[in-house]
Amino acid sequence: DAGVIQSPRHEVTEMGQEVTLRCKPISGHNSLFWYRQTMMRGLELLIYFNNNVPIDDSGMPEDRFSAKMPNASFSTLKIQPSEPRDSAVYFCASSKGVNLPYEQYFGPGTRLTVT
Amino acid sequence: GESVGLHLPTLSVQEGDNSIINCAYSNSASDYFIWYKQESGKGPQFIIDIRSNMDKRQGQRVTVLLNKTVKHLSLQIAATQPGDSAVYFCAENFNNQGGKLIFGQGTELSVKP
Repeated sequence: DAGVIQSPRHEVTEMGQEVTLRCKPISGHNSLFWYRQTMMRGLELLIYFNNNVPIDDSGMPEDRFSAKMPNASFSTLKIQPSEPRDSAVYFCASSKGVNLPYEQYFGPGTRLTVT
Repeated sequence: GESVGLHLPTLSVQEGDNSIINCAYSNSASDYFIWYKQESGKGPQFIIDIRSNMDKRQGQRVTVLLNKTVKHLSLQIAATQPGDSAVYFCAENFNNQGGKLIFGQGTELSVKP
């Protein structure tokens, strides 16, 4: 079975440019999570969706960040404009839903470098 | 300027020995816990979970212990192998919150052959 798919795996962009990260969750999973991982702050939850609806976006750093989930099989995380401090590894994870067990399956991540 | 990053706790063990990785969780109301393993360049991978109505759960070569009195979780790995070298995270869920997990900072396990 295919796991969580993320693209691109690596992204290098210049400050001020728009960046779009993509995620395809595991088929049949109802919840989707976006995380950011840095050495400074560890693994942070940015936003999560349940049945394509954003439930909690309190972790989104600022208005430059936005996330969408137009359907059950696709989500995007967009940064506009990007800044060097956004450099991090961004993970997408999915789970079966809001009931136990809450095991989340992580994708391989997108390593973003903003110069 | 020089950046200051997280200083992950590090555990170094000899191949074949048992490893114990500890985690202090934050919320006494948490009712579900997971251990994840993250190898270099990869996403976190599920190892084992435990619910708050249990104090011990065993998997293949791994055991998780839960002490709710002191809000402590531990992961025991038997006969540690070089392939176990990774960063290990504990995560907790409280009050459901749509399956939201709060992750700890992680412990780096290094296995010496």
